[in-house]
Amino acid sequence: DAGVIQSPRHEVTEMGQEVTLRCKPISGHNSLFWYRQTMMRGLELLIYFNNNVPIDDSGMPEDRFSAKMPNASFSTLKIQPSEPRDSAVYFCASSTSGGATDTQYFGPGTRLTVL
Amino acid sequence: SQQGEEDPQALSIQEGENATMNCSYKTSINNLQWYRQNSGRGLVHLILIRSNEREKHSGRLRVTLDTSKKSSSLLITASRAADTASYFCATATNAGKSTFGDGTTLTVKP
Repeated sequence: DAGVIQSPRHEVTEMGQEVTLRCKPISGHNSLFWYRQTMMRGLELLIYFNNNVPIDDSGMPEDRFSAKMPNASFSTLKIQPSEPRDSAVYFCASSTSGGATDTQYFGPGTRLTVL
Repeated sequence: SQQGEEDPQALSIQEGENATMNCSYKTSINNLQWYRQNSGRGLVHLILIRSNEREKHSGRLRVTLDTSKKSSSLLITASRAADTASYFCATATNAGKSTFGDGTTLTVKP
């Protein structure tokens, strides 16, 4: 299995631009998570989906952030407009079922820099 | 604040020694998981212990869970330089939501 796939691996953009991060979970996994990691705030859960439905989005920082999961094999995290404080590493993870009640498998992350 | 908090924040030991990291949390959990993160990389799952379990082993890893004290410990025995990484605990609720601690940075000197 290829594991969780994220793209792009690195993204540099200017403030105000739209950013879209992509994730392909492990085939057969029903839960998908988006995390953000910064030195100041550590690893934060932004949102998680179960069977393509958003279950908990309480970690989404503000309306500039949105996430979708149109099917079982693809999810996007969009930031519009982006700001310098959004600079972070964004991780996607998936698990077999029931959210985090099972092992989460993480992707390599997308390092986002907003200038 | 984070549900899981690791202690110590940083740990430096010599190769061959044992390393112990602790995690405390605040609310009821379904399970607690430990992850390793090498610098600049993603997180790798190490071990999952459920709320009805008290101890679990995997190779050189030993995890304990005390739900009465809301705490867990990760012991790495006979450490190696390759064990140098950050270690995170993550608690999961029955609703499936997970919360990560701030991590312990382990340095194993050859």
